[in-house]
Amino acid sequence: TQLLEQSPQFLSIQEGENLTVYCNSSSVFSSLQWYRQEPGEGPVLLVTVVTGGEVKKLKRLTFQFGDARKDSSLHITAAQPGDTGLYLCAGDNQGGKLIFGQGTELSVKP
Amino acid sequence: GAVVSQHPSRVICKSGTSVKIECRSLDFQATTMFWYRQFPKKSLMLMATSNEGSKATYEQGVEKDKFLINHASLTLSTLTVTSAHPEDSSFYICSASGMDTQYFGPGTRLTVL
Repeated sequence: TQLLEQSPQFLSIQEGENLTVYCNSSSVFSSLQWYRQEPGEGPVLLVTVVTGGEVKKLKRLTFQFGDARKDSSLHITAAQPGDTGLYLCAGDNQGGKLIFGQGTELSVKP
Repeated sequence: GAVVSQHPSRVICKSGTSVKIECRSLDFQATTMFWYRQFPKKSLMLMATSNEGSKATYEQGVEKDKFLINHASLTLSTLTVTSAHPEDSSFYICSASGMDTQYFGPGTRLTVL
């Protein structure tokens, strides 16, 4: 069974701080997606990483895919209250199914 | 980006009744749709994979007679929660697979009294 271990599960920080969320697995994924979800809404895709070692930037968010395509990280610089939400990583196992991590509940206080 | 809708967004029903949730891909055709269940502040749990024109594939532990899935067209999949009970109360989310990406619906909050 493929698993994605996401950490930390809860993170409460002050505005302006930096943070990193990790997703780790013993399995190789063909691609990995990061989503952000607000209460009562569906997940919204932030980025898809496909190539081992790939780094993608989305404004203050930096996403990395491990060289072996087994792990990924999301780094947020100078977090803002608007970044508050549930962050989910999900790996594509080539069967079309997404394997989700446990999620990281981020709270950024003004 | 592609748009996926769900209807209804919220539903409250009495125990023992059945509830149907619709998932539509509005601007693309989706041969495969997925149904997830999510508990408060938890991640998404895949319930089943719905393929147009064929039977759905259910994940281990998900009762197929309890959660009926129909994927009658390339733009519509439905999930029917039969004889709903309070423990079925949850947030149900669908996704549609298209252009090498899964696009998620906004979710349906089901409350069973």
